[in-house]
Amino acid sequence: AQTVTQSQPEMSVQEAETVTLSCTYDTSENNYYLFWYKQPPSRQMILVIRQEAYKQQNATENRFSVNFQKAAKSFSLKISDSQLGDTAMYFCALGSSNTGKLIFGQGTTLQVKP
Amino acid sequence: EAGVAQSPRYKIIEKRQSVAFWCNPISGHATLYWYQQILGQGPKLLIQFQNNGVVDDSQLPKDRFSAERLKGVDSTLKIQPAKLEDSAVYLCASSPGQGLSGNEQFFGPGTRLTVL
Repeated sequence: AQTVTQSQPEMSVQEAETVTLSCTYDTSENNYYLFWYKQPPSRQMILVIRQEAYKQQNATENRFSVNFQKAAKSFSLKISDSQLGDTAMYFCALGSSNTGKLIFGQGTTLQVKP
Repeated sequence: EAGVAQSPRYKIIEKRQSVAFWCNPISGHATLYWYQQILGQGPKLLIQFQNNGVVDDSQLPKDRFSAERLKGVDSTLKIQPAKLEDSAVYLCASSPGQGLSGNEQFFGPGTRLTVL
């Protein structure tokens, strides 16, 4: 069975500082993708960053970067220079390469404080 | 480019009533997904369509939920009869293809269902 676990229900960070959100997963597939999605309050889900499991290099998108540890099945998200607009619920998701099906974690609510 | 459209945005019904949700994916997207997101949890896939065929409906409660995508474009998700535990946000997503290589799922705004 495929599972995704986010062990931090809530986190907070001061504006301009750095925060790391944790995610662990389990899968028996060899070809898979990992994602971080952002869901602002009452707004729709948007993709933050994606990582192909076969790539060793960690993905980066501007202020967002990941630490992908394949052997440990760990996939954390680092947000640098946090901004008030980063306040949202963040979901880690595991995707099947063949079917596209996504398995989501429980989410981490991030509050960026001024 | 227009995004994924869903309607209605909000719906309140009594238990045992019926309800239907509509989704119009991004133009040209072959794959359409319906997710159920219960408050405080991550989305859970209910059903996945590739064009007008079902790819995965293993987590769809088929005794009360049904979905169709007749012409391979827009889709309808129905609940009949609704139960209290069906209160959730129902998200529709679409992607150009089925796999994840070169594809991304784009999500709609969701329909928030409250069952009283």
